[in-house]
Amino acid sequence: SAVISQKPSRDICQRGTSLTIQCQVDSQVTMMFWYRQQPGQSLTLIATANQGSEATYESGFVIDKFPISRPNLTFSTLTVSNMSPEDSSIYLCSVESTLGISTDTQYFGPGTRLTVL
Amino acid sequence: QKEVEQDPGPLSVPEGAIVSLNCTYSNSAFQYFMWYRQYSRKGPELLMYTYSSGNKEDGRFTAQVDKSSKYISLFIRDSQPSDSATYLCAMSGGTGGFKTIFGAGTRLFVKA
Repeated sequence: SAVISQKPSRDICQRGTSLTIQCQVDSQVTMMFWYRQQPGQSLTLIATANQGSEATYESGFVIDKFPISRPNLTFSTLTVSNMSPEDSSIYLCSVESTLGISTDTQYFGPGTRLTVL
Repeated sequence: QKEVEQDPGPLSVPEGAIVSLNCTYSNSAFQYFMWYRQYSRKGPELLMYTYSSGNKEDGRFTAQVDKSSKYISLFIRDSQPSDSATYLCAMSGGTGGFKTIFGAGTRLFVKA
């Protein structure tokens, strides 16, 4: 399984500001995913980040609000722009199985706990 | 109707009990079924993975998939306080391709 780290682990931000979350994987992966997990709710997929192409956003999420970078096969960033208190959540990075066979299993980073005041 | 339904609990059991966690789903095209465990303030970790129908056992954990009923279960035998966590079911492989759909998670408390 892949080892995934995220920075920062938590942050408290003022409304109107932006925060960039970093995700680093210890091996090369094709697919990286960004999720949001609000208290008591399931994981909601924000977007899929592919190396060398634009991220694919899910319904309800737009690039202007959540720009994503994927400069190489081990790293991605998610920016939460122009934040409001409704953006307070845990943001999780995940990758698909690195075994070379698509099994639709995912491995998650520890998450970034964001509080917007 | 949600694609995946999971009772959020909380479920509280005494140490040593057998725990049964369940999910139902609506998309008959799902082929891959997973259970994730999430401790407080941590990311989800893959616990069990099953392809199609049947049972899979790993130590104290058994995953069951009944595709005819669109029902999956996770059984924990001899539950321990360290099993206290949120358990999320997940499934994929349907018409959405690789997209994984997660249940809301069941909070489990195992009392010593």
